[in-house]
Amino acid sequence: LAKTTQPISMDSYEGQEVNITCSHNNIATNDYITWYQQFPSQGPRFIIQGYKTKVTNEVASLFIPADRKSSTLSLPRVSLSDTAVYYCLVDSPGQKLVFGTGTRLLVSP
Amino acid sequence: GAVVSQHPSRVICKSGTSVKIECRSLDFQATTMFWYRQFPKQSLMLMATSNEGSKATYEQGVEKDKFLINHASLTLSTLTVTSAHPEDSSFYICSASGGFLNTEAFFGQGTRLTVV
Repeated sequence: LAKTTQPISMDSYEGQEVNITCSHNNIATNDYITWYQQFPSQGPRFIIQGYKTKVTNEVASLFIPADRKSSTLSLPRVSLSDTAVYYCLVDSPGQKLVFGTGTRLLVSP
Repeated sequence: GAVVSQHPSRVICKSGTSVKIECRSLDFQATTMFWYRQFPKQSLMLMATSNEGSKATYEQGVEKDKFLINHASLTLSTLTVTSAHPEDSSFYICSASGGFLNTEAFFGQGTRLTVV
């Protein structure tokens, strides 16, 4: 299982763009990169998933370079409600999900 | 999107008693369910992998006789914390995958267990 490394915490202000980078040097060919968001006392919530290049949905973008050894979650114009812990995971279909430390994002007014 | 329902959301029990937590996939068949435990300010720690119709696979250090997992159907897995002690107090979360979605996992709301 590929291990992921991401910053423990980040601070931002409302309206700014936030980029959280995750390293996964040992990613395998069949692995996908998935990001989850977790609020206190709630289960994680799926944000976005990608395999390579760029993926965008209504809440975020995910940038993955050609070597796939890292990925960057981009949150455009964050609000106070985006304060949460963000987890980067590398997973293969049918395999167990192992969580790393996550990044605690604090958005201030 | 797919929904995973976990019940109860919060439970307080006396030391020495057992508590059952249910995890249901509401709109898809979950061939595999996972159980996690999360202590305050920490990440989710995988406890076990539950496959429908077979025995659960426990992670190293997790006592299978203390944390009983049953996955009797494609939509229901249960975790029973037996002879609970205060140190078992934690946030327990289940997730499910399978059906038409290959890699995306869906998580329950979590269960806050407090053993007094």
